[in-house]
Amino acid sequence: GAVVSQHPSWVICKSGTSVKIECRSLDFQATTMFWYRQFPKQSLMLMATSNEGSKATYEQGVEKDKFLINHASLTLSTLTVTSAHPEDSSFYICSALSLAGGRYNEQFFGPGTRLTVL
Amino acid sequence: KQEVTQIPAALSVPEGENLVLNCSFTDSAIYNLQWFRQDPGKGLTSLLLIQSSQREQTSGRLNASLDKSSGRSTLYIAASQPGDSATYLCALSQGGSEKLVFGKGTKLTVNP
Repeated sequence: GAVVSQHPSWVICKSGTSVKIECRSLDFQATTMFWYRQFPKQSLMLMATSNEGSKATYEQGVEKDKFLINHASLTLSTLTVTSAHPEDSSFYICSALSLAGGRYNEQFFGPGTRLTVL
Repeated sequence: KQEVTQIPAALSVPEGENLVLNCSFTDSAIYNLQWFRQDPGKGLTSLLLIQSSQREQTSGRLNASLDKSSGRSTLYIAASQPGDSATYLCALSQGGSEKLVFGKGTKLTVNP
């Protein structure tokens, strides 16, 4: 149980284009999903918190107009990187909190999406 | 602001050795602390979760301890194997928030 998937697992795009990444909780409903970014040899940095049916909350320094987050259902959140540039190349990972509360608010992580912007 | 530090950044050991990975944090008002494993280019695998009222958790060859007063957690790996080679991340959440703050990780290499 508690499986989170991401699609695509990797994507290469041209500078200036937009890329959408999906995060799905496969066997549970998620009230809250989180989006992280990880640069090479760095740790995960929280970008935003996504709650179903409401606007996402972005961390300081993260441009909300560039990283659009939609959490339309209890099993799906999407992150769209708009007008992507090479500096947006990174590993994007999502996580989800179970509606059932889980074990001490345990987050379940997806496998990540490698974005390369040429 | 909570800061999480993991030392060492990298560790190389021979197979069979017992080892300890360290995680320290600056604010002791935590809700839970988790240890994760990350293989190159992959997502996170949760290893152990310790709630703030607990002092340790065990799973197989892994044992994680938590000492809030000193702001430290350790991950003990017994009888290490080459398959244990990965980056180990420590992360914690604080009371009133579901957000996780991560350390930079310790890259472990277990040599056959």
